[in-house]
Amino acid sequence: DAEITQSPRHKITETGRQVTLACHQTWNHNNMFWYRQDLGHGLRLIHYSYGVQDTNKGEVSDGYSVSRSNTEDLPLTLESAASSQTSVYFCASSESTSGEQYFGPGTRLTVT
Amino acid sequence: AQSVTQLGSHVSVSEGALVLLRCNYSSSVPPYLFWYVQYPNQGLQLLLKYTSAATLVKGINGFEAEFKKSETSFHLTKPSAHMSDAAEYFCALNSGGSNYKLTFGKGTLLTVNP
Repeated sequence: DAEITQSPRHKITETGRQVTLACHQTWNHNNMFWYRQDLGHGLRLIHYSYGVQDTNKGEVSDGYSVSRSNTEDLPLTLESAASSQTSVYFCASSESTSGEQYFGPGTRLTVT
Repeated sequence: AQSVTQLGSHVSVSEGALVLLRCNYSSSVPPYLFWYVQYPNQGLQLLLKYTSAATLVKGINGFEAEFKKSETSFHLTKPSAHMSDAAEYFCALNSGGSNYKLTFGKGTLLTVNP
């Protein structure tokens, strides 16, 4: 069955370190998205991609970057981790013109 | 600009009671609308979607939602709550065309009491 996976599921890192969160989908979807989920804020879009070599900033992109070198993967990099980036991160993908998205299980990141 | 408002960040019902989770939207074009459910420590799972066909949409686990254009609403209901329905529920909107992004509401936490 097609799926979307994220790794690691849990990560603890120190302030200032670079961190990369992996997202891999086997749906063969062109569209991929990264969100963060925080209490009181719901889901906020960080970056998104509509295809290979395409990346776009979302509403909370500062301090994050993505790259899309193939259809299956959209890694999210925190260039210099900050405590404010402690959160749960979700990756999603979609192909449908209606916009329905399929979500991964999430990565819980703690920055100390 | 489009937006989604979920009325009530926390709803508590008794097992067997009606579940009603409210969602209102704002969109300048006819929207696609979705309800997602998130169980603890899991990702979001699609419950149901409205894509301009029937206004009453049936989803998984006995949930349904009705699209009411005049009220700009897409409320989620279930006739009889089960303990297993306890989760967070998100309403989301997509404006279609070449925009594949979803706009999410802040979520409603459903508690089911025995």
